[in-house]
Amino acid sequence: KNEVEQSPQNLTAQEGEFITINCSYSVGISALHWLQQHPGGGIVSLFMLSSGKKKHGRLIATINIQEKHSSLHITASHPRDSAVYICAVSGGGYGGSQGNLIFGKGTKLSVKP
Amino acid sequence: DGGITQSPKYLFRKEGQNVTLSCEQNLNHDAMYWYRQDPGQGLRLIYYSQIVNDFQKGDIAEGYSVSREKKESFPLTVTSAQKNPTAFYLCASSIGGGPYEQYFGPGTRLTVT
Repeated sequence: KNEVEQSPQNLTAQEGEFITINCSYSVGISALHWLQQHPGGGIVSLFMLSSGKKKHGRLIATINIQEKHSSLHITASHPRDSAVYICAVSGGGYGGSQGNLIFGKGTKLSVKP
Repeated sequence: DGGITQSPKYLFRKEGQNVTLSCEQNLNHDAMYWYRQDPGQGLRLIYYSQIVNDFQKGDIAEGYSVSREKKESFPLTVTSAQKNPTAFYLCASSIGGGPYEQYFGPGTRLTVT
C-alpha cells in the first residue's frame, strides 16, 4: 500500500464546477504539500500546510491531522486549471530528513469549457 | 528573476553512456533535491543535499551520482549502471533541509536507447 494515496486518479469537470481532490496518508508527517504539474512537466507548489485550512484565490486546501486526510478544492473551475495535482508529505523524522517528500501518484484534472 | 534552471529540456543518449543533468538555482537555498518521475508513478527521491559538500542517498540512488561543490549547483550523473534511465528528472530546492516549501525546475526528459 502506498504511503500517500490520492483520489480520484482522473477527473473531468465542466467549467464552473466545484472540484475536490482527496489525499490520505499513512505515515507521520511534519507538513503536507499540494503541487500542480502542467502538461509541460513543470511543478509549482500551491500549498504547504500542517493544520487547518489555507486559501489562495479559488484554491482551498484543508488538512485533518487526526484522520490523516487532506483535500484540495477548486471553486469556479476553469479550463486553465487543467493539470495534474500532486499531494506530497514531508516526513515526520528529524532534522534534514523532514524535507524529504513522499509523493502521491497525482490526480489528472481536465476542465472542459 | 530567482529560480531553478535545468538543462537541457530533452536529452538523448545511447545505452552504456554516462550523462550529466544540470541543475542551477539562484534562490540562495541550502537544500537541493533530485527526483525521478515515471508514468503512472509518484515522484521518487534520488539524492538530496542539505549543504555544500554534503549529500545523501534517497530511495532510488543506485546507478546515479551527484556532487555539490557550489551552493547554487547540484548536477546529477546518470551512469551506465542505471538499469532503466529513461525518465523525467526534476530538480528542486528549499531554503533548508527541514519541512519547507520546495521550488522545482522545469525538468529534463532523458531518453536512452
